[in-house]
Amino acid sequence: SQTIHQWPATLVQPVGSPLSLECTVEGTSNPNLYWYRQAAGRGLQLLFYSVGIGQISSEVPQNLSASRPQDRQFILSSKKLLLSDSGFYLCACTRASGVADTQYFGPGTRLTVL
Amino acid sequence: AQKVTQAQTEISVVEKEDVTLDCVYETRDTTYYLFWYKQPPSGELVFLIRRNSFDEQNEISGRYSWNFQKSTSSFNFTITASQVVDSAVYFCALSEETSGSRLTFGEGTQLTVNP
Repeated sequence: SQTIHQWPATLVQPVGSPLSLECTVEGTSNPNLYWYRQAAGRGLQLLFYSVGIGQISSEVPQNLSASRPQDRQFILSSKKLLLSDSGFYLCACTRASGVADTQYFGPGTRLTVL
Repeated sequence: AQKVTQAQTEISVVEKEDVTLDCVYETRDTTYYLFWYKQPPSGELVFLIRRNSFDEQNEISGRYSWNFQKSTSSFNFTITASQVVDSAVYFCALSEETSGSRLTFGEGTQLTVNP
């Protein structure tokens, strides 16, 4: 079964600073990868998903971008953070071959922008 | 477009009580999948169950049970004899066949089990 790693676990950044969050997956090849944000409260918002290296789909236009430089690596970035970027960021994966396959989640990164 | 509604924002029960978390969904697809996830205070989402639209059999796993009713577009989750460790936010989610594995989540229900 797959294991998802995310780092850092927590991050405090000033407004206007850059951001890089990393997600790596073990135990599966060619997974579909997802970035979610959970703002204060509970809803999960899908930000980006990727079906392969270099293939990124954006769900919500915003201050963030994503990249997939390797098969099992997914990076979430920003050039200049906004206060509204604060939240809990979760990476998830599914097997590439599965239709509506189960998504498994990483431990998350808690980002506070001051 | 798909939608998931969890009308109960917060539920508070006393240990050993049974509790049901409601989930109502909307979809135009005939083939779809329903999920429940648990989010404990640590934050990580833990997968609980996956159900496809052609399988309306109810499922029981220990103290957990799920009631899937297509006629009412509901997929409710019951915890029997609740325990303090069940305290968490619970999310219901929907994936349509045409959207691959992309999930639409409900807003979640915060369950607090008091000793």
